[in-house]
Amino acid sequence: DGGITQSPKYLFRKEGQNVTLSCEQNLNHDAMYWYRQDPGQGLRLIYYSQIVNDFQKGDIAEGYSVSREKKESFPLTVTSAQKNPTAFYLCASSIGGQVMNTEAFFGQGTRLTVV
Amino acid sequence: GENVEQHPSTLSVQEGDSAVIKCTYSDSASNYFPWYKQELGKRPQLIIDIRSNVGEKKDQRIAVTLNKTAKHFSLHITETQPEDSAVYFCAASTPIDDYKLSFGAGTTVTVRA
Repeated sequence: DGGITQSPKYLFRKEGQNVTLSCEQNLNHDAMYWYRQDPGQGLRLIYYSQIVNDFQKGDIAEGYSVSREKKESFPLTVTSAQKNPTAFYLCASSIGGQVMNTEAFFGQGTRLTVV
Repeated sequence: GENVEQHPSTLSVQEGDSAVIKCTYSDSASNYFPWYKQELGKRPQLIIDIRSNVGEKKDQRIAVTLNKTAKHFSLHITETQPEDSAVYFCAASTPIDDYKLSFGAGTTVTVRA
């Protein structure tokens, strides 16, 4: 279905390797977000972007990097500096502006396992 | 920043009974409180939200109440059905950080047939 797509669904990487998670949306949304979901900790914001070519750190940005070269795409790179990268990663998008005025639409997530 | 705590972490109810999930928040300036539902293997989806100028909001079998004095808000599901089984997340946002949501840890609801 259309909307927001994350790929791949499952990803395995060796420790010390960088890995990039894909997030694409065809909703014409300005804002995009990356969250990390761990058991018992809910969703924590990694990075967000309110507009193309601009992004800001969220609450747990260390060890991650992003780019926003196109409106439709917001890839997340998990670097070797991230001490505990194994997690479920969710991407979201919204029209933009205040969150109370716009619903966040989520992708189906990527489960990253680092061995 | 905003801190949202959610209880209980798991909840099992008999089909037809009610389920209540409670969240507390730390920042008294918070003004927006959405609830997301995540079914197994699926993406989180917004099911209901409430703003700080409203005390209660209903949508069919679900309702949310807000107590600004006590800084807590709750999700109420009545006449639970098997399709209500999911993980529910509460969230809050503040006017200063109005671009982002702070989420609770989630509640896994299981409806027993």
